Amino acid sequence: QVQLVESGGGVVQPGGSLRLSCAASGFTFSNYGMHWVRQAPGKGLEWVAFIRYDGTNKYYADSVKGRFTISRDNSKNTLYLQMNSLRPEDTALFYCAKDRDWYIDLWGRGTLVTVSS
Amino acid sequence: DIQMTQSPSTLSASVGDRVTITCRASQSISSWLAWYQQKPGKAPKLLIYKASSLESGVPLRFSGSGSGTEFTLTISSLQPDDFATYYCQQYNTYSPNSSPPFGQGTKVEIK
Repeated sequence: QVQLVESGGGVVQPGGSLRLSCAASGFTFSNYGMHWVRQAPGKGLEWVAFIRYDGTNKYYADSVKGRFTISRDNSKNTLYLQMNSLRPEDTALFYCAKDRDWYIDLWGRGTLVTVSS
Repeated sequence: DIQMTQSPSTLSASVGDRVTITCRASQSISSWLAWYQQKPGKAPKLLIYKASSLESGVPLRFSGSGSGTEFTLTISSLQPDDFATYYCQQYNTYSPNSSPPFGQGTKVEIK
């Protein structure tokens, strides 16, 4: 079964750090680029970051550049998002998503990150 | 960065209605546009890619059109399962200095 399962979300204080993981199954993970997309409560979708299939290129939204780092371990079929210097406005449901020719064809169910003191 | 503007923000319609949602780009994106459907509490689902290509398994009542800066998503006969929020996304540009934004979404409500 083709699926993406996120984990690692939780409550963190402003300025804190969190690492999200996304376990992929049912497809050849190492062949595909991957995205992180987030959605603040009651708001729309915001693209966060992208990593190429081999990890050689990474792109970030301006809102997270310098604070978030996307990475992957193809031997473990796992995508990561290291989030540092977290702000209250980073509170959101974070989705892991699979790329197909630069658009998204598969989404996980999301993991909730809450930044609050 | 390219900006995406969807209209309307909310749309009230009845089962059986023909529904059209518009997405405008701030500059030409050729046909590099996707449409997604999101139901409450669920992850988004791909409907249309490359402006008019229907994703496998998506009902034929969904169609997309447009190129350049103006695009539309049409539902030919609205079904109860179609009440959801719809987002467009351009994927014309990925670079260290540009990101692929989504539109702000269009919520299709029951009239």
